[in-house]
Amino acid sequence: DAKTTQPPSMDCAEGRAANLPCNHSTISGNEYVYWYRQIHSQGPQYIIHGLKNNETNEMASLIITEDRKSSTLILPHATLRDTAVYYCIVRLPDDKIIFGKGTRLHILP
Amino acid sequence: DAGVIQSPRHEVTEMGQEVTLRCKPISGHDYLFWYRQTMMRGLELLIYFNNNVPIDDSGMPEDRFSAKMPNASFSTLKIQPSEPRDSAVYFCASYTGGHYNEQFFGPGTRLTVL
Repeated sequence: DAKTTQPPSMDCAEGRAANLPCNHSTISGNEYVYWYRQIHSQGPQYIIHGLKNNETNEMASLIITEDRKSSTLILPHATLRDTAVYYCIVRLPDDKIIFGKGTRLHILP
Repeated sequence: DAGVIQSPRHEVTEMGQEVTLRCKPISGHDYLFWYRQTMMRGLELLIYFNNNVPIDDSGMPEDRFSAKMPNASFSTLKIQPSEPRDSAVYFCASYTGGHYNEQFFGPGTRLTVL
């Protein structure tokens, strides 16, 4: 079973920041938080991951709370191409990925 | 690199027929994963390999499903006999291992069993 809880859907206006929450209250100390997204009809795509510290790359930022029980993925300037299902995953390195239901993000023009 | 390659991209077959899905992972990747995606069940991990050896096949639905990885550059997922409930998109993914590395997914094979 997936170890994370995400809202089933969210809307965000184009050009605004999209903030996608994820709860992982049972995360263990050496498990990482990963985010993937799946655009319609395509395979999932890696976005970002982190352990304790906040992370940023060219796609997004990942904010992890100090107790590590929740995190937020931030897409700073959402575009229509960001419409997708976003998956928050908790796992050990070299462990399998268990996908939950994810959050369906709709970017509104 | 061309990424993870899957073939065929679409397969339509009749109930009872054998179906073979193929995957070529990214060169140098030690791990290979097979997933199945349906509207009802979402993305499910079926089996994964490390260095060509099956590590976890607990997601394989039943004996009708089998997967092999004869070498580092090729894997197959076979369904025999196929049933309509096997209709789904099947994804293959690969990665090098370690927490610095990400899984790369192929484009998927859309299987329809009539």
